[in-house]
Amino acid sequence: GQQLNQSPQSMFIQEGEDVSMNCTSSSIFNTWLWYKQDPGEGPVLLIALYKAGELTSNGRLTAQFGITRKDSFLNISASIPSDVGIYFCAGQRRGNTPLVFGKGTRLSVIA
Amino acid sequence: DGGITQSPKYLFRKEGQNVTLSCEQNLNHDAMYWYRQDPGQGLRLIYYSQIVNDFQKGDIAEGYSVSREKKESFPLTVTSAQKNPTAFYLCASRLQLTGTGELFFGEGSRLTVL
Repeated sequence: GQQLNQSPQSMFIQEGEDVSMNCTSSSIFNTWLWYKQDPGEGPVLLIALYKAGELTSNGRLTAQFGITRKDSFLNISASIPSDVGIYFCAGQRRGNTPLVFGKGTRLSVIA
Repeated sequence: DGGITQSPKYLFRKEGQNVTLSCEQNLNHDAMYWYRQDPGQGLRLIYYSQIVNDFQKGDIAEGYSVSREKKESFPLTVTSAQKNPTAFYLCASRLQLTGTGELFFGEGSRLTVL
């Protein structure tokens, strides 16, 4: 099955730095979602995007639904140690079809 | 509290044995899903069910079986036919009628086959 192209695969950053990651696809999606997974836990929904061009914030997190509907990005500002984890993008093509996931971006924050 | 409960959290089995992972939700969600997670592979869909007594294969259904006899329950059986069953298994659900795609996950079950 198709997976989204998520990059970068991993990042090592200093505490306080901003982070940017993105997801691209060759096909159009109607919904984009961003999840965070802590070690040994299930993913938790961070932000959901429903409309092309939409820019949504959740605290220090900001995500955008690309105008072409084939991409999305997630920014984290002023990173802190608890931001450590794996971030997944997910897209839904239409209706009630299952989500398609990216392979994840592993974020490490150096204090 | 409402949520998705997976059990057991950790499971060890000998090669050739079938194992069943439990997933229960009290969110009144219509659809339930099983994903497999391997390091660096992201989440891959095994099976999903949109209504009771009906389910569909995902991308990697071979060697797995499911049932959906009740709305709140969607157990996954990892059979001896699954070539490489050691993995982290995640159950998820969502309210189908909204169609918004917001999936909620359980805490996962880690299966190790010795």
